[in-house]
Amino acid sequence: EPEVTQTPSHQVTQMGQEVILRCVPISNHLYFYWYRQILGQKVEFLVSFYNNEISEKSEIFDDQFSVERPDGSNFTLKIRSTKLEDSAMYFCASSTGQGRETQYFGPGTRLLVL
Amino acid sequence: AQSVTQLGSHVSVSEGALVLLRCNYSSSVPPYLFWYVQYPNQGLQLLLKYTSAATLVKGINGFEAEFKKSETSFHLTKPSAHMSDAAEYFCAVSGGGDTGRRALTFGSGTRLQVQP
Repeated sequence: EPEVTQTPSHQVTQMGQEVILRCVPISNHLYFYWYRQILGQKVEFLVSFYNNEISEKSEIFDDQFSVERPDGSNFTLKIRSTKLEDSAMYFCASSTGQGRETQYFGPGTRLLVL
Repeated sequence: AQSVTQLGSHVSVSEGALVLLRCNYSSSVPPYLFWYVQYPNQGLQLLLKYTSAATLVKGINGFEAEFKKSETSFHLTKPSAHMSDAAEYFCAVSGGGDTGRRALTFGSGTRLQVQP
């Protein structure tokens, strides 16, 4: 069964450093998403991406965040200058964009900012 | 704006007992509603979804949920709990593709414990 994959599974970085989180969505899906879950809190929407541009974003998704689909398979989330409060589990998801769609989630990347 | 409230951050049941996890939503458009399950150190797996067809929705692993518009609820049930059901359960709402708003809004989650 097709699945969303994410790399790395864990990332530790120093405050102020740039990080890139990578995702490979399901191959025939057209919409891509990033969510995050701070430890002990609810899952929060960050951004959705369709046709090579952002289609929705939340208040959390400020100028330090960016997304890109650099090739036909990868979908990335870049955090330019990490802060302590960026420590969280980051989930990628994808969907077909058709009808009563389901978002399929990857296993997540746990980011720890020191 | 959309929101989801899950009553009870922790629910404990005995193996074989009824599971009831509560979810109430608020949405300005006809909602699409979802239940996801998260096992330890894993991602989110879809259990079931309501998308304006049948109000009683059956999902995987014996779970089902009933959409009640008058109560703005979408409670998750399972007649008989199994030890393997121990996990965190998230209710989520979206406006659906027709509204152009696909972002999922999640509840805070309910951790289900199953006692032997």
